[in-house]
Amino acid sequence: DAKTTQPPSMDCAEGRAANLPCNHSTISGNEYVYWYRQIHSQGPQYIIHGLKNNETNEMASLIITEDRKSSTLILPHATLRDTAVYYCIVRSLSGNTPLVFGKGTRLSVIA
Amino acid sequence: DVKVTQSSRYLVKRTGEKVFLECVQDMDHENMFWYRQDPGLGLRLIYFSYDVKMKEKGDIPEGYSVSREKKERFSLILESASTNQTSMYLCASRDQGQSSGNTIYFGEGSWLTVV
Repeated sequence: DAKTTQPPSMDCAEGRAANLPCNHSTISGNEYVYWYRQIHSQGPQYIIHGLKNNETNEMASLIITEDRKSSTLILPHATLRDTAVYYCIVRSLSGNTPLVFGKGTRLSVIA
Repeated sequence: DVKVTQSSRYLVKRTGEKVFLECVQDMDHENMFWYRQDPGLGLRLIYFSYDVKMKEKGDIPEGYSVSREKKERFSLILESASTNQTSMYLCASRDQGQSSGNTIYFGEGSWLTVV
């Protein structure tokens, strides 16, 4: 699975959009980008995934660059409850190996 | 909604005790996983299972074993608990359906303290 690089931490004002970047320059053609988050003392929670088109669900939007070497997770109106560690992971859809979590980005939403 | 349930949220055990951590998922997923999470080390994979009665070692299997007798249940066993096994343990299961995108679902975690 391709390696990802994320900033270790970010702050965001409550009510504003939180934009979390991820670099995955070695991504291959059949690999998807997945985002998970982990709120303190809880298990990681799936957020969204995508291949090359932008994706949106009730939690977030995922913007993937045309060359697929980077992506951005957008939380459109961050709340205090969005304070968490966010993990960007790249892997193939058919892969049978477990997910490997890096260190992620610690997002702090500030009132 | 997919539910992954870990039987115990908080446990305190003595050194040398045998410890069972139970995990049940209700979505008929074939793949299940056990991770531990420690400050500064992230999530590390202990064992995983592709199907009933199958198991594979992860990155840190030493001191652990697993059991998968039924599809919905994956147990982690600490044969003789030691203080360096104090950690948060996370169980997960994976939906390999194409439409779901191979998504992994986690339980709430079990905080184990070995004294």
